[in-house]
Amino acid sequence: ETGVTQSPTHLIKTRGQQVTLRCSSQSGHNTVSWYQQALGQGPQFIFQYYREEENGRGNFPPRFSGLQFPNYSSELNVNALELDDSALYLCASSPELAGALHEQFFGPGTRLTVL
Amino acid sequence: DQQVKQNSPSLSVQEGRISILNCDYTNSMFDYFLWYKKYPAEGPTFLISISSIKDKNEDGRFTVFLNKSAKHLSLHIVPSQPGDSAVYFCAASNLGGGADGLTFGKGTHLIIQP
Repeated sequence: ETGVTQSPTHLIKTRGQQVTLRCSSQSGHNTVSWYQQALGQGPQFIFQYYREEENGRGNFPPRFSGLQFPNYSSELNVNALELDDSALYLCASSPELAGALHEQFFGPGTRLTVL
Repeated sequence: DQQVKQNSPSLSVQEGRISILNCDYTNSMFDYFLWYKKYPAEGPTFLISISSIKDKNEDGRFTVFLNKSAKHLSLHIVPSQPGDSAVYFCAASNLGGGADGLTFGKGTHLIIQP
């Protein structure tokens, strides 16, 4: 059974650019959530996708957007990058919606640096 | 405004002793609580959880206690082992509104000393 994978591992961008981060969910999982973890902070919920639809969103501006594909893999897109977007971006998958939150499996994350 | 607070950034415990990690929350809508463990360069891994209808949940060396009236939970690890050295995150959720995702604390770095 393959776990959650994320690519790339590290990424450096400049302010104003756009970035796409990718996540492959664990086999059999149809729900994907994205989190942003700034240095010294806990992960902060960005949004969740269930069966290709956005199912919920945290307090992030619209320049953070996402997609989920039929194979349940997912992308996080960030437009007009700002310095404060520098963080570790974590993807988590789970087999179902809220009832199985304890089964959120996290990937290793993508470290984004914005210069 | 931090809805989940872990006020101890780090904790050092001797091997074999009990480790107690604390967490406080402010949102009374939270009804499900989780602890995650994170090693460097890895994503958080689920450790143990507790529903608000319970006050204790035990899994091997790990026990989570929930005091709803005080809005406080704690994770007890006994006996502590060197492999327990990691950052521990407390997280909370409103299962009825699960699409809000998990709300995490800032984490406590647990260091187990030999």
